[in-house]
Amino acid sequence: DSGVTQTPKHLITATGQRVTLRCSPRSGDLSVYWYQQSLDQGLQFLIQYYNGEERAKGNILERFSAQQFPDLHSELNLSSLELGDSALYFCASSVGGAGGPVETQYFGPGTRLLVL
Amino acid sequence: GQNIDQPTEMTATEGAIVQINCTYQTSGFNGLFWYQQHAGEAPTFLSYNVLDGLEEKGRFSSFLSRSKGYSYLLLKELQMKDSASYLCAVGDPGAGSYQLTFGKGTKLSVIP
Repeated sequence: DSGVTQTPKHLITATGQRVTLRCSPRSGDLSVYWYQQSLDQGLQFLIQYYNGEERAKGNILERFSAQQFPDLHSELNLSSLELGDSALYFCASSVGGAGGPVETQYFGPGTRLLVL
Repeated sequence: GQNIDQPTEMTATEGAIVQINCTYQTSGFNGLFWYQQHAGEAPTFLSYNVLDGLEEKGRFSSFLSRSKGYSYLLLKELQMKDSASYLCAVGDPGAGSYQLTFGKGTKLSVIP
């Protein structure tokens, strides 16, 4: 158990809908990272938040957005869902995240999203 | 940007030793990680190299050569539970970010 929690574990929805995925980082970690993992693409970095502020952006679609709240939990919002958005979405956290040596990221159990 | 290459699949025998290679081409480098991921589960941290050389951790060792853009993960005394995907990830210094770029992973099957 990494100490990172994610809800829900599974989500089934229809095309065109909007969903929200939630992540709570390990106690004391300030950074949250979101990743998408599909069968053919591997783990793709989406976005990083550090202490409430967006720090880095990867291959995140405009239909997707995220935020980190004062209590450091984060939400990933996916809208106008398409069949191709079906994937495992992981959240990870690390202690810091703003400069210096890169730090180990600890992953949550993931949310499996199925868009029908 | 980053380009990370790993073999797609490998098979090895229980009790044996296996080496999983990773090559990378990067515009910057801030450390290399190995993660283990069982099917449908979260990646779990195995090792981290930032300087050249070998890091040993029980049955698992990881090697890095920055000049060659090369790393390997060595698994000794293989057990059936080691059947999993092994992900190589490179730290991208970027704009003060801790962004990791992952390879597509090597699926290791351990057979009796």
